[in-house]
Amino acid sequence: AQTVTQSQPEMSVQEAETVTLSCTYDTSESNYYLFWYKQPPSRQMILVIRQEAYKQQNATENRFSVNFQKAAKSFSLKISDSQLGDTAMYFCAWYNNNDMRFGAGTRLTVKP
Amino acid sequence: EPEVTQTPSHQVTQMGQEVILRCVPISNHLYFYWYRQILGQKVEFLVSFYNNEISEKSEIFDDQFSVERPDGSNFTLKIRSTKLEDSAMYFCASSIGPGRLYNEQFFGPGTRLTVL
Repeated sequence: AQTVTQSQPEMSVQEAETVTLSCTYDTSESNYYLFWYKQPPSRQMILVIRQEAYKQQNATENRFSVNFQKAAKSFSLKISDSQLGDTAMYFCAWYNNNDMRFGAGTRLTVKP
Repeated sequence: EPEVTQTPSHQVTQMGQEVILRCVPISNHLYFYWYRQILGQKVEFLVSFYNNEISEKSEIFDDQFSVERPDGSNFTLKIRSTKLEDSAMYFCASSIGPGRLYNEQFFGPGTRLTVL
């Protein structure tokens, strides 16, 4: 069974600094997708970034980038120049063939 | 920008009652999903639906749950006899689909179900 582990329940960062959220997963599939979702207090899930497992190049979306290590089954999210609006729960997710598995989430607080 | 909508935003029900949670997916999307999030816990996949039938379901999705697309726009989740542990946030999502390759899932704002 596919599992996704986020080992940091809570993290905080000063505004404008950089923070990295960790995620590891376990799967026997060779092709899959990985995502980071943001869930602000409004609770709506917002896709932050995605990575296709067959691509070696790490995905980047503006201030958000990932460090994808397929052999290690690691998928961390780096947020640069943190902003107050980045305060939210962040969920790492694994996807294949309509099956999506989420990690337990990391609560990120950006401090002014 | 098109979005997934869900109604109601909050539903309160008595244990043992039936509830129907409603979702309107994005109009040209073909795959539909339900997830739930018990307060303070992870988001859990319940079911995916394509071409008027269930394509995947999790172990959570037992006989108490059913899904339906009764018309061209709504996608519903029915819980036949609610239990206290069904209290959660229920998210609907849709994607343009189909197939094994990923198409981005767009999430609705969720329905908070409280079972008393």
